[in-house]
Amino acid sequence: AAGVIQSPRHLIKEKRETATLKCYPIPRHDTVYWYQQGPGQDPQFLISFYEKMQSDKGSIPDRFSAQQFSDYHSELNMSSLELGDSALYFCASSPQERGGIYEQFFGPGTRLTVL
Amino acid sequence: AQSVSQHNHHVILSEAASLELGCNYSYGGTVNLFWYVQYPGQHLQLLLKYFSGDPLVKGIKGFEAEFIKSKFSFNLRKPSVQWSDTAEYFCAVNAVDSSYKLIFGSGTRLLVRP
Repeated sequence: AAGVIQSPRHLIKEKRETATLKCYPIPRHDTVYWYQQGPGQDPQFLISFYEKMQSDKGSIPDRFSAQQFSDYHSELNMSSLELGDSALYFCASSPQERGGIYEQFFGPGTRLTVL
Repeated sequence: AQSVSQHNHHVILSEAASLELGCNYSYGGTVNLFWYVQYPGQHLQLLLKYFSGDPLVKGIKGFEAEFIKSKFSFNLRKPSVQWSDTAEYFCAVNAVDSSYKLIFGSGTRLLVRP
């Protein structure tokens, strides 16, 4: 079965650089969630999209932005990277319909290291 | 605001021992409840979920969990653990009246000794 695809899997950047993380949801899933998991931490919700519109926003820095495209893939853009941005970034997708209740399927994550 | 508490941060068991991991949540409305497992170096995988109905839910790999509404708890259990159960376990909730974003507990790192 198709799973959530994230690219790249690993990314190394210098401070103040920019990074773009991509997420390809499971086919026919119209909702995407982004989570950040710092070292030894639990995943923290960043932002979500439903039908290409932002549906919720969590503790996402202003330096980060994200969008969902017409093919439902999503990109997380991170600028002016800081050491503290080093983390595992998970994307999850679900076939959420309005009022529906569905589990989220997680991708393998992108491990971002900021030097 | 929703929050999730997992009381055991590290658990060490021998194979065949029984497991119970505690999870309590704080939220006044209706929630969905999940347990996810993260094996070393891997992504989160769903163990089991509770939306409604029978409060005792069975998941994969012999895991089960019981939702006790009066205690705001959703404890994970397994009668006999195996070495391959070594992983980190996260309890999570989402609110029915929200975007369904998941709020995770701090996780429990389980080590099963052969």
